[in-house]
Amino acid sequence: KNQVEQSPQSLIILEGKNCTLQCNYTVSPFSNLRWYKQDTGRGPVSLTIMTFSENTKSNGRYTATLDADTKQSSLHITASQLSDSASYICVVSAGTGGFKTIFGAGTRLFVKA
Amino acid sequence: DSGVTQTPKHLITATGQRVTLRCSPRSGDLSVYWYQQSLDQGLQFLIQYYNGEERAKGNILERFSAQQFPDLHSELNLSSLELGDSALYFCASSPQGRGTEAFFGQGTRLTVV
Repeated sequence: KNQVEQSPQSLIILEGKNCTLQCNYTVSPFSNLRWYKQDTGRGPVSLTIMTFSENTKSNGRYTATLDADTKQSSLHITASQLSDSASYICVVSAGTGGFKTIFGAGTRLFVKA
Repeated sequence: DSGVTQTPKHLITATGQRVTLRCSPRSGDLSVYWYQQSLDQGLQFLIQYYNGEERAKGNILERFSAQQFPDLHSELNLSSLELGDSALYFCASSPQGRGTEAFFGQGTRLTVV
């Protein structure tokens, strides 16, 4: 069964600290993996997208990694800011055309001053 | 601004009624996706259209239907509404149907009373 599991469910960190969010998937055949940031009540915004051959991709203070062998991905946030408080959603697409898309439940991050 | 436009932003209606949500994708994007997000829940994929044809179906109820028109805009029809249908409904679009990066609209908040 195609699944995407994220951990932790929620996380509280102090402003300026780093954190790492995890995503494990059992989706097959793998097409690509995306991380989205969703502010409360707003539409998700894409942070990174990685295909099978990519191990890491950065977008400012966000760095995503992908281990296709273990089917794990992580999103590392450095020097967190209050505006990083949001839900972070891991999304995996499957199939040769990548038409099947499975969303993780998300990690809710709270950054406190 | 993602370039994806959803209308209306808010909708309040009574149980048993029918509503139509509208989505205009980014210019040139052929794929349109619909998602439902209930309060404090993850995004649930409903349905995908690619260039006017249904391409993938998720957990979409029989009371719900969608279509994509020749100009590529899409509508999600929700009928016989129940209290549990209250949620944020997001539309996303992507250039192709291959799980490429999807851009989300700001959502329509539906409240069924």
